Amino acid sequence: DIQMTQSPSSLSASVGDRVIITCRASQSINTFLNWYQQKPGKAPSLLIYRASSLQSGVPSRFIGSGSGTDFTLTISSLQPEDFATYYCQETFSTPLMYSFGQGTKVDFK
Amino acid sequence: EMQLVESGGGLVQPGRSLRLSCTASGFTFREYAMSWFRQSPEKGLEWVGFIRGEPYGATTEYAAPVKGRFIISRDDSKNVAYLHMNSLKMEDTAVYYCARDQSQHIPNPNWFDPWGQGTLVIVSS
Repeated sequence: DIQMTQSPSSLSASVGDRVIITCRASQSINTFLNWYQQKPGKAPSLLIYRASSLQSGVPSRFIGSGSGTDFTLTISSLQPEDFATYYCQETFSTPLMYSFGQGTKVDFK
Repeated sequence: EMQLVESGGGLVQPGRSLRLSCTASGFTFREYAMSWFRQSPEKGLEWVGFIRGEPYGATTEYAAPVKGRFIISRDDSKNVAYLHMNSLKMEDTAVYYCARDQSQHIPNPNWFDPWGQGTLVIVSS
């Protein structure tokens, strides 16, 4: 089974800060990695797919990178609407698991 | 605008059954694989299963914890996907989401958007 580990589990930041969230897979997943944003009481929303492709309508301040086992989601300049929880998800595993990381909560410093 | 709306959640006793519905609008439903996920404080976000689109035979795949108990089906004439949950266990308690496979990747979905708002299932005696 592929395990996905995010770090940190939570962070406090201010508007305008550069925020970096990392996701590590327990084995290589090529670039089969997605990032989602979830706000309280809402469903997850796709930000980045295949490690670095920006979902249509998502601001360009969200940047995904990485391949193999190590991935990064960077928010270049944090905006008020970005305070949320972020999840990575692999779509490589066989048998299928589509495993998620445990989430990174970004809150206001 | 693409939209997914889940319904059918509620309180159910262990061992009983429940059917969730996911009603889609704003896209050509029959062409897309549809997935179900769930989220609980204990286990976080989990994939439950998916059903491929009609062009690919509407075949299904399931996660190990639900295989043999849950069945996913679809009615393309109504733009609805279903999650039939049987032999429910307390550990099935979660918010259940449906999501569209945006990637249209064959044979298996790759990324998921949009998601529905979720429906809460509580399994308790």
